Amino acid sequence: EVQLVESGGGLVQPGRSLRLSCAASGFTFDDYAMHWVRQAPGKGLEWVSGISWNSGSIGYADSVKGRFTISRDNAKNSLYLQMNSLRAEDTALYYCAKDMGPLFPGSAFDIWGQGTMVTVSS
Amino acid sequence: DIQMTQSPSTLSASVGDRVTITCRASQSISSWLAWYQQKPGKAPKLLIYKASSLESGVPSRFSGSGSGTEFTLTISSLQPDDFATYYCQQYNSFWTFGQGTKVEIK
Repeated sequence: EVQLVESGGGLVQPGRSLRLSCAASGFTFDDYAMHWVRQAPGKGLEWVSGISWNSGSIGYADSVKGRFTISRDNAKNSLYLQMNSLRAEDTALYYCAKDMGPLFPGSAFDIWGQGTMVTVSS
Repeated sequence: DIQMTQSPSTLSASVGDRVTITCRASQSISSWLAWYQQKPGKAPKLLIYKASSLESGVPSRFSGSGSGTEFTLTISSLQPDDFATYYCQQYNSFWTFGQGTKVEIK
């Protein structure tokens, strides 16, 4: 079964850091680009960051540039998001999503995880 | 940045109705557009990619059309399972989502 499972979310104070993980299974992980997408409570979807199959191309939304770092470990079939200097407006459900192709910039997202909640509050 | 605007924001319809949702891009995105369905508490599900290509396993009552700056998602005969929120997404230049269209029971 094709699956993405996120972990690492939680309650964190403003200015602190958090690292999200996404474990992939059921497909050849290193054949595809991967992304993080977030959804604030009751709001729409926002693309956060993406990475090509070989980590050669990476991109970030302006809202997180300089604070968040995406990475992947193809040997472990895992995607990561290091989030530093967190702000209240980063509070959201963070989804891991699989691109339909290997490149960045790429394509649509055909597989999504169930998300991990990040709450930034004092 | 490319902005995506969906209309309407909310749509009330009955089972069996033909439903159309519109998505407009702030500049041309060719056919680099996808549609997603999201139900409460669930992850988004890909319905349509490249403006009109139906994702595997998605019922044929869903269809997409358009190119350039104007796109539509059509549900030919609304089923009870289709009441959800729908998002368009451009992937011509990075990725941007529309604000969503909630399809409610009339």
